[in-house]
Amino acid sequence: QKEVEQNSGPLSVPEGAIASLNCTYSDRGSQSFFWYRQYSGKSPELIMSIYSNGDKEDGRFTAQLNKASQYVSLLIRDSQPSDSATYLCAVNTNTGNQFYFGTGTSLTVIP
Amino acid sequence: DTGVSQDPRHKITKRGQNVTFRCDPISEHNRLYWYRQTLGQGPEFLTYFQNEAQLEKSRLLSDRFSAERPKGSFSTLEIQRTEQGDSAMYLCASSLAMGGDTQYFGPGTRLTVL
Repeated sequence: QKEVEQNSGPLSVPEGAIASLNCTYSDRGSQSFFWYRQYSGKSPELIMSIYSNGDKEDGRFTAQLNKASQYVSLLIRDSQPSDSATYLCAVNTNTGNQFYFGTGTSLTVIP
Repeated sequence: DTGVSQDPRHKITKRGQNVTFRCDPISEHNRLYWYRQTLGQGPEFLTYFQNEAQLEKSRLLSDRFSAERPKGSFSTLEIQRTEQGDSAMYLCASSLAMGGDTQYFGPGTRLTVL
């Protein structure tokens, strides 16, 4: 079992819609969770971090964490074509010294 | 300081040659990470430094790979006797060891081994 799993997609949504990206992780003791956006040929860019159960909102982005279910998600409201990218979920393990990334979900926002 | 920098951005080498990459982290960050990313995959952890100490090393990191951070500032990653399977994007990230350890990535070095 991989430490972090994501649906690779591709996920397509129309412009203005809500895009929902999901991630599960295996280490129940994980403490820190991150969403990164990666455009083709570029390095990952941090979108949000979340550490406690519940929702965290930042502009059009909302991260949701459920530690009991070992599940973290990212909602993108009012999706724009510029949001088209691969979204990577990252988890800091219980030891705190290693980050595990999922394989990423490819999102396309259709104008 | 505008962020993490890496040099070179691209490297093409022949199989069997040695290559060295450099990473300069955000100046106040005491943690530095190296990752490798291949097409369609997420970044794969290679190694991690806190200040000058190498605290963690992936079991995937063969003995052809070595990393240093001699003064706790910049870091180098060397690959000896490169193989075609080493072709990948090599990413460096840095973080401050508090506040959740959020990592910020450099632009990466793309290695092609012919």
